[in-house]
Parts: sequence; C-alpha cells; structure tokens
Amino acid sequence: DAGVIQSPRHEVTEMGQEVTLRCKPISGHDYLFWYRQTMMRGLELLIYFNNNVPIDDSGMPEDRFSAKMPNASFSNLKIQPSEPRDSAVYFCASSLRRQVRAFFGQGTRLTVV
Amino acid sequence: AQTVTQSQPEMSVQEAETVTLSCTYDTSESDYYLFWYKQPPSRQMILVIRQEAYKQQNATENRFSVNFQKAAKSFSLKISDSQLGDAAMYFCAYRSGTNDMRFGAGTRLTVKP
Repeated sequence: DAGVIQSPRHEVTEMGQEVTLRCKPISGHDYLFWYRQTMMRGLELLIYFNNNVPIDDSGMPEDRFSAKMPNASFSNLKIQPSEPRDSAVYFCASSLRRQVRAFFGQGTRLTVV
Repeated sequence: AQTVTQSQPEMSVQEAETVTLSCTYDTSESDYYLFWYKQPPSRQMILVIRQEAYKQQNATENRFSVNFQKAAKSFSLKISDSQLGDAAMYFCAYRSGTNDMRFGAGTRLTVKP
C-alpha cells in the first residue's frame, strides 16, 4: 500500500480564497483524522471520522473550516475564506481500530498571504 | 477532552548519552493507548513506541523505552546511546477508548556530536 496520500504538498493562496486539502487514507482503514500543526500549538486534532461519519469536530477552529468524507477512500478539508492565521501544516492520518496506531500522510504546508 | 502535556519544549543530549523526554496526560478513562512519535525535518510522522494502559510492563523498542506510571499519568521516553539521527521533534500522543487521538506540543531534541 502507498500509505496515506495527501495533496497538495504545498499550497500558497491569497487571503479570502477557498482552499481544499485532500486525503486518501490507507485502504481498509476505518478511522481518519485531520490535524493542524503550528509552532505555537503543536498538533491539534481538528476532526475525526469513523466509517466515513464525523465523530468529533470540536477541534475545528471556526465555521470557515469544514471537512467531509464522501467515501472510504477520500476526505477533504476546506477553508473558506482563508486567513493568514490559517497558515500551518495540515496532516491527515488513518488507522484501523484494532491496530490502534495511526499512519500519517506527508502533510500539506499551507501559506495564506 | 483528554489533554497531553510535554513540559520540555527543547532538550539536548550528547551523542552516545541517554536522554529522557517527559509527558503527562489527563484522563478519566482506564482503557487507552499511549504513543511516542518522531518527526524529523522531513515532516514525516514516525511511530517510535506504543504502550497499552492495561499492560504494567514498560514497552521497549531497541534503544527506546518508556517509563509508564499509570497512577501518576506519566509516560516518559528514554533514548539510550543517542545517535545523530535521533535529532527530531518528539510528540507524545494519547488514544482514548472512543478512539480520538491527541498529541502534546512536542519536544525538540538536539543531539550534539
């Protein structure tokens, strides 16, 4: 398996634009997590899904952020409109419940100017 | 929500020496999992070691071992015979019975030759 695949690796956008980050989890995994990493706050859990259903989105910072998982092989995280303070590295991770450990993608570095 | 605290933003160690990274967590659950992940400059998240809360024996993986004190809610990582390749950010993580997974703010480890 190719592992968790995120795209794009880097994204630079202007303030106010919509940004879409994409994630393909490992085939067969039933949990998917979105994290945001910044120097100040470390790795924050934004939202996680189980069997494509959002379980806890309490970490989503505000209404500008939304995440969907339309099927078992794809999830996206949207920010609309984007702001400079959204600049961070966004990670997607997936896991099998019985394996417990999470496998991470390479992350998307987002810069909002 | 559970919280994970890493009180050492930065640590350094001399090559071949031993270093211990600290982690504490807050939970009311009895069944959970703890992890240490390593993040080198490549940004990849690499699992170093994991511990099941129901196991009293401390986990060990080659030069990496943990000191798991369940009553004190403490989970420290010991790196023996430190190598230059150990230099990275280290994140402590907690996975609950409900399966969300949360991370500490990280400790940046420098290894001096």
